Amino acid sequence: DAGITQSPRHKVTETGTPVTLRCHQTENHRYMYWYRQDPGHGLRLIHYSYGVKDTDKGEVSDGYSVSRSKTEDFLLTLESATSSQTSVYFCAISEGDRGSPEAFFGQGTRLTVV
Amino acid sequence: AQSVSQHNHHVILSEAASLELGCNYSYGGTVNLFWYVQYPGQHLQLLLKYFSGDPLVKGIKGFEAEFIKSKFSFNLRKPSVQWSDTAEYFCAVNPTGRRALTFGSGTRLQVQP
Repeated sequence: DAGITQSPRHKVTETGTPVTLRCHQTENHRYMYWYRQDPGHGLRLIHYSYGVKDTDKGEVSDGYSVSRSKTEDFLLTLESATSSQTSVYFCAISEGDRGSPEAFFGQGTRLTVV
Repeated sequence: AQSVSQHNHHVILSEAASLELGCNYSYGGTVNLFWYVQYPGQHLQLLLKYFSGDPLVKGIKGFEAEFIKSKFSFNLRKPSVQWSDTAEYFCAVNPTGRRALTFGSGTRLQVQP
């Protein structure tokens, strides 16, 4: 398995509170991604990064922000959590256009907003 | 809108039956194609991939997929499924030059012993 660690693995939080999820990689891959997985929707891209401090929005970015201050770390922040953000969040990495484009996934974070 | 479609949402098979899961995409240019598998409670793992060349690609665990450019399809097949193949299967597409994969909604496969 690719060296990807997500933390925390499970979290329950209250509506309106900020939440930060962390993704750490040891593969030195350029691209990092945050997806959310919901029944019937597959995986949907939230944000991605193509280098330190270089990020872009995905198809479901509203309510989320990201930061990448180091190659190995990619943070996803829910500024004010809502019940619609209850989901399983997956981090992924890839070499992107500098290598093979397939993505490798972390173990996921199950977030429940009550 | 450009998308990836998996028409079979839930498939139930008996062991030893043959499997074919459909995947169609709507991107017009060159694409990279993938099938991922997610076993219960686990993360996504790559089953196989197609970048170019022979349109029939073989992956792990006896799976294969065929790219038919004229039909914008990349169907997954396995001649004889096992109970351990019970999982959710996702097709993904990465148009050349795009920076992220777009996933289909997934197909849940249940194999009965």
